[in-house]
Amino acid sequence: EAGVAQSPRYKIIEKRQSVAFWCNPISGHATLYWYQQILGQGPKLLIQFQNNGVVDDSQLPKDRFSAERLKGVDSTLKIQPAKLEDSAVYLCASSLVYYEQYFGPGTRLTVT
Amino acid sequence: QKEVEQDPGPLSVPEGAIVSLNCTYSNSAFQYFMWYRQYSRKGPELLMYTYSSGNKEDGRFTAQVDKSSKYISLFIRDSQPSDSATYLCAMRTANTGNQFYFGTGTSLTVIP
Repeated sequence: EAGVAQSPRYKIIEKRQSVAFWCNPISGHATLYWYQQILGQGPKLLIQFQNNGVVDDSQLPKDRFSAERLKGVDSTLKIQPAKLEDSAVYLCASSLVYYEQYFGPGTRLTVT
Repeated sequence: QKEVEQDPGPLSVPEGAIVSLNCTYSNSAFQYFMWYRQYSRKGPELLMYTYSSGNKEDGRFTAQVDKSSKYISLFIRDSQPSDSATYLCAMRTANTGNQFYFGTGTSLTVIP
C-alpha cells in the first residue's frame, strides 16, 4: 500500500513570497489533515478535511493560509504572503478510521 | 494549561535498557491514545494506539493508559540503537471530527 505522498520535500523562499504544498493521501482515506511542526514541537493541526469538506480550520491563519481538497482526494496548502515564523515542516496525514493517522514525509519550509 | 504535556528530554540510554516515556493530559474526554515515532527529517509513524484505559503490548513496546491519573506511558524493552528517534504522544476524544492533540515529543538516543 502506497503511503502519503507530499511535494516538494524542501522549499526556501523569501518573506512575502507565496508557496504551495501538495499532498496525495492513501487511497480510500476520506480524512486528510495538514499540520505545522515547528522545530522541537509537536505537530499543530492547521486544517482537517472529511472528503472535500472542511471539518476543522480553527487554527489556520486564514489571512495568509488557504487549503483546498478537490474531488476529495489530493490537497494543496498555500501560504501567501509568507512570514519568517512560517518556517516549519508541513505535514500531511490521512486516515480511514478516526483514531489512526498516517503521515507523509513532510515539506520543510525555510523563509528567509 | 496545555492539553498534553510531554517531557522533551533528551533521554540517553545504553543499548538493552528499558525506556519509559510519559505524557500527562488535562481533558478527561480523551479516549484514544497514540504513540508515534519520528525519525529525523521524516514524518511521524504510528507505533501503537490504545482505547480508554489499560495496557497494550506489541513486541518490545508496551503502552499503558491510566485515565484516573490522566497519564499515559510507553515502555520499550531491550532498547536498540534503531529506536533512537523522537517519540510523540497524541490523543483525541471519541467524537468524529475532533482533532488530535500532540505532545511536544521526547528525543531518545540509544547508545550501542
